[in-house]
Amino acid sequence: EADIYQTPRYLVIGTGKKITLECSQTMGHDKMYWYQQDPGMELHLIHYSYGVNSTEKGDLSSESTVSRIRTEHFPLTLESARPSHTSQYLCASSPGRWDYGYTFGSGTRLTVV
Amino acid sequence: KQEVTQIPAALSVPEGENLVLNCSFTDSAIYNLQWFRQDPGKGLTSLLLIQSSQREQTSGRLNASLDKSSGRSTLYIAASQPGDSATYLCAVYEVALANAGGTSYGKLTFGQGTILTVHP
Repeated sequence: EADIYQTPRYLVIGTGKKITLECSQTMGHDKMYWYQQDPGMELHLIHYSYGVNSTEKGDLSSESTVSRIRTEHFPLTLESARPSHTSQYLCASSPGRWDYGYTFGSGTRLTVV
Repeated sequence: KQEVTQIPAALSVPEGENLVLNCSFTDSAIYNLQWFRQDPGKGLTSLLLIQSSQREQTSGRLNASLDKSSGRSTLYIAASQPGDSATYLCAVYEVALANAGGTSYGKLTFGQGTILTVHP
């Protein structure tokens, strides 16, 4: 079944550690996105990609980085985690056509202590 | 800048009631509007997608309407059930210009959501 997968589901990590949040989709979608959502708050776009080797920053400034080496894989990396990075990170994808909707993953809830 | 507002922020109803969630957006130049459901601590599940040329979409007990010219959408839930309890988000898709290089990109802007509680 075509879907979008995020791992880990939950992560508690110490300050200063490097972390990578994984996102993979099996739908062959060209476009992939990372959103950040604080508890009870709106979703904000932090990164997007329109295809392999294409990455751009979104509306909300983020210290994270992303890469798109394969169509199906769009990992997000924090080189040195801080408590201010504590949040939920949601990955999404969409096909090339604008008239198709987005599909979201289950999210990674990150806590930096 | 597109702004999406959802009213009410929270809603509590007894099981069996029909209810309406409202979404408004400031810039009517959208391509489509999508309604999502989010359970606590979870990701988003797509409920309905309405293209800018469409007036409404239906799926089971859910019906979403779109009035693009007035910048409004409603999500109607018939015969609500406790399992419908969740946060409902609406999002509009538009094309925006990137800051550098002037290239355009598709962008989904979310409202703050309506927290729905259906009690038995």
